[in-house]
Amino acid sequence: QKEVEQNSGPLSVPEGAIASLNCTYSDRGSQSFFWYRQYSGKSPELIMFIYSNGDKEDGRFTAQLNKASQYVSLLIRDSQPSDSATYLCAVNTPLTEGGSEKLVFGKGTKLTVNP
Amino acid sequence: AAGVIQSPRHLIKEKRETATLKCYPIPRHDTVYWYQQGPGQDPQFLISFYEKMQSDKGSIPDRFSAQQFSDYHSELNMSSLELGDSALYFCASSYGGLGDTQYFGPGTRLTVL
Repeated sequence: QKEVEQNSGPLSVPEGAIASLNCTYSDRGSQSFFWYRQYSGKSPELIMFIYSNGDKEDGRFTAQLNKASQYVSLLIRDSQPSDSATYLCAVNTPLTEGGSEKLVFGKGTKLTVNP
Repeated sequence: AAGVIQSPRHLIKEKRETATLKCYPIPRHDTVYWYQQGPGQDPQFLISFYEKMQSDKGSIPDRFSAQQFSDYHSELNMSSLELGDSALYFCASSYGGLGDTQYFGPGTRLTVL
């Protein structure tokens, strides 16, 4: 089982709607959670990061974290066609002896916002 | 603001050739990570360096090696290239080395013919 799970989609929403992207992770020791947006053929672009349980808002984006349920989500309000991309959930792995914390990515959810 | 720089942006090689990819982290970032992303796949962690020392190793083939230099730039050396090595290779950098936010470079698209 992959350590970070996302619905691959595609997720299709109309312009102006709320897009909800979900992610679960398997390692309870994970501390940092990231959402990246990736356009086709481009590099991942950081959208949000969250460390604490609860909600974190930045403009039209809200990240939600529930460590007890091992669940992190991203809400995009007032979705725009330019939001159409693949959204990658990334979770840091806990520090292990001799290692560093690295990101483990989910397979991404492809979002399409229809005009 | 300065971002991560990768070169070359595109590279075409024949099977069994070698390739060297370069990464210049954001100024003052001391940690570099390399990821490989195949078509339709999520980025897979290859290797990372913190303060010029290898800090972790992922699914990097033995044919690949990497290092971080005194100016913190990093190079990924790939030998005996195979068709399956064709992918996007991303470098990311962070400050502090341990779980801090990673910022990705534009990537190098490697095509092996």
